[in-house]
Amino acid sequence: KAGVTQTPRYLIKTRGQQVTLSCSPISGHRSVSWYQQTPGQGLQFLFEYFSETQRNKGNFPGRFSGRQFSNSRSEMNVSTLELGDSALYLCASSGTSGRAEDTQYFGPGTRLTVL
Amino acid sequence: QQQVKQSPQSLIVQKGGIPIINCAYENTAFDYFPWYQQFPGKGPALLIAIRPDVSEKKEGRFTISFNKSAKQFSLHIMDSQPGDSATYFCAATDSNYQLIWGAGTKLIIKP
Repeated sequence: KAGVTQTPRYLIKTRGQQVTLSCSPISGHRSVSWYQQTPGQGLQFLFEYFSETQRNKGNFPGRFSGRQFSNSRSEMNVSTLELGDSALYLCASSGTSGRAEDTQYFGPGTRLTVL
Repeated sequence: QQQVKQSPQSLIVQKGGIPIINCAYENTAFDYFPWYQQFPGKGPALLIAIRPDVSEKKEGRFTISFNKSAKQFSLHIMDSQPGDSATYFCAATDSNYQLIWGAGTKLIIKP
């Protein structure tokens, strides 16, 4: 079974630009969560989508948005990039029950650098 | 109420020693407590998990101890090896099935 894939793996943008990151979950998984990871802040939860609906949302500004498609693939968009958005963005998919006991399987992440 | 507090932030242990990572929570509605392990350049991966009706769970060299009354749980690694060097995260689920994460512990096992 293929794991969670994220594209692109690395991205360099400049302040003010926007960026879209993509996540393909494990086949059959309906939940996709997004996290921002920085050395000083650990794992910060962005949002979770379950069956195309946003089920949970973290405390990030509206510049961060996401969506999930009918095939469970998800995209995350960040508009008007700031230097502080430089981070590793992780996507995790989890299983079929829709409950948190479903193990979250993480992708390798997208490393975003904002110059 | 929604926080999970993890300590220490970093830990260095000699090979064969028993590193212990502690987590504490306030929300008594949390009902599932996983630990994730993350190696450099990789996403976190589930290591072991426990429910609050169990006081201890072992999987190989990894043990979770759970103290429901104190609202604390901890990870012990027996006979630690250099390959265990990684960042470890504790977490807990809330009523919305969202995982609440600890801040992480960077563990180094010295040969």
